[in-house]
Amino acid sequence: EAGVAQSPRYKIIEKRQSVAFWCNPISGHATLYWYQQILGQGPKLLIQFQNNGVVDDSQLPKDRFSAERLKGVDSTLKIQPAKLEDSAVYLCASSSSRDGYNSPLHFGNGTRLTVT
Amino acid sequence: DQQVKQNSPSLSVQEGRISILNCDYTNSMFDYFLWYKKYPAEGPTFLISISSIKDKNEDGRFTVFLNKSAKHLSLHIVPSQPGDSAVYFCAAKGDDYKLSFGAGTTVTVRA
Repeated sequence: EAGVAQSPRYKIIEKRQSVAFWCNPISGHATLYWYQQILGQGPKLLIQFQNNGVVDDSQLPKDRFSAERLKGVDSTLKIQPAKLEDSAVYLCASSSSRDGYNSPLHFGNGTRLTVT
Repeated sequence: DQQVKQNSPSLSVQEGRISILNCDYTNSMFDYFLWYKKYPAEGPTFLISISSIKDKNEDGRFTVFLNKSAKHLSLHIVPSQPGDSAVYFCAAKGDDYKLSFGAGTTVTVRA
């Protein structure tokens, strides 16, 4: 099966600019996640979708981050305006089950964002 | 707050020997634990998991041990191979289904 697709692979922007990341999950996976991985740390959940509804966005900095999954398939994550501390790898993951117990998360290769 | 801790940022082991990766957690509500493996410029890939009702799960060269009383789990890789050189993340989840990750341990297998 095709894996989780993410684009772009790399992005360099200046602070206060905006940026958007795109994710296409594995076909048929209803649950989609966006994670932020800062260098030297483990991935941190930003937002979880079940189909096109938000399940958990408690750790999403909503003043600058937004995400949508309009048709329950592809998803975009946007940052506006970006700060230096947003420099990280943004990972998209998908799963066929909401709780992930019988279907571990499948991750994309991520987008490495550098904010200068 | 870091609920999952991997206190060893790196591990170097000779090919053919055993690699032991350790992970500690603080949340007693965690009931499912996973290990992910990550190569450079790739996303993490699922390696092995264990439910809190077990204390051991084995899959080929990989075995995960869980000590609930100590809130500790470990991953054993026997024998270690050059392709095992990667970053290994420990992760845990509870009834809120959120996955909490440790900071990772970089394993280098020497020829």
